[in-house]
Amino acid sequence: EPEVTQTPSHQVTQMGQEVILRCVPISNHLYFYWYRQILGQKVEFLVSFYNNEISEKSEIFDDQFSVERPDGSNFTLKIRSTKLEDSAMYFCASSDSGGATDTQYFGPGTRLTVL
Amino acid sequence: GNSVTQMEGPVTLSEEAFLTINCTYTATGYPSLFWYVQYPGEGLQLLLKATKADDKGSNKGFEATYRKETTSFHLEKGSVQVSDSAVYFCALLLRNQGGKLIFGQGTELSVKP
Repeated sequence: EPEVTQTPSHQVTQMGQEVILRCVPISNHLYFYWYRQILGQKVEFLVSFYNNEISEKSEIFDDQFSVERPDGSNFTLKIRSTKLEDSAMYFCASSDSGGATDTQYFGPGTRLTVL
Repeated sequence: GNSVTQMEGPVTLSEEAFLTINCTYTATGYPSLFWYVQYPGEGLQLLLKATKADDKGSNKGFEATYRKETTSFHLEKGSVQVSDSAVYFCALLLRNQGGKLIFGQGTELSVKP
């Protein structure tokens, strides 16, 4: 069964460093998403992406964040200058049509630890 | 605003017990509703969904009915197994919001033999 994959599974970085989290969505999907979950808190939407453009972003997704689909298979989240409060589990998801009834398929997550 | 509220966890049950995890929502539009499950060390997996009022989603013995009048989507299972131990997330998705899923805080379920 097709699945969303994410690398690395765990990333440790120093405050102020740039990190890139990588995702490979399901191959025929067109809509891509990033969510995060700070330990003990809710899963929060960060951004959605379709046709090489951001469709929607949350207030969390400020200028320190960017997303890119550099080729036909990868979808990345970049954090330019990490802060301690960026420590969280980051989930990538993809969906087929992006409609309100469509299922989003999630990857296993990348745990980001900022020291 | 739009939000999802789930019952507090952790919930601890014995095998074969009846499970209910309450979920209520507030939404400015007409959402689709989802239950996702997260097994230890894994990502979020869709468990079931319902896209309109009175729809019942079901999967693996779990079911939930979309109740518009009570703005609820409670998850139930008649007889839980140890393998059902996981964290369960209720979520809503509104139209024309770029696919933004809004999650509840998650409810941890532990099933003892």
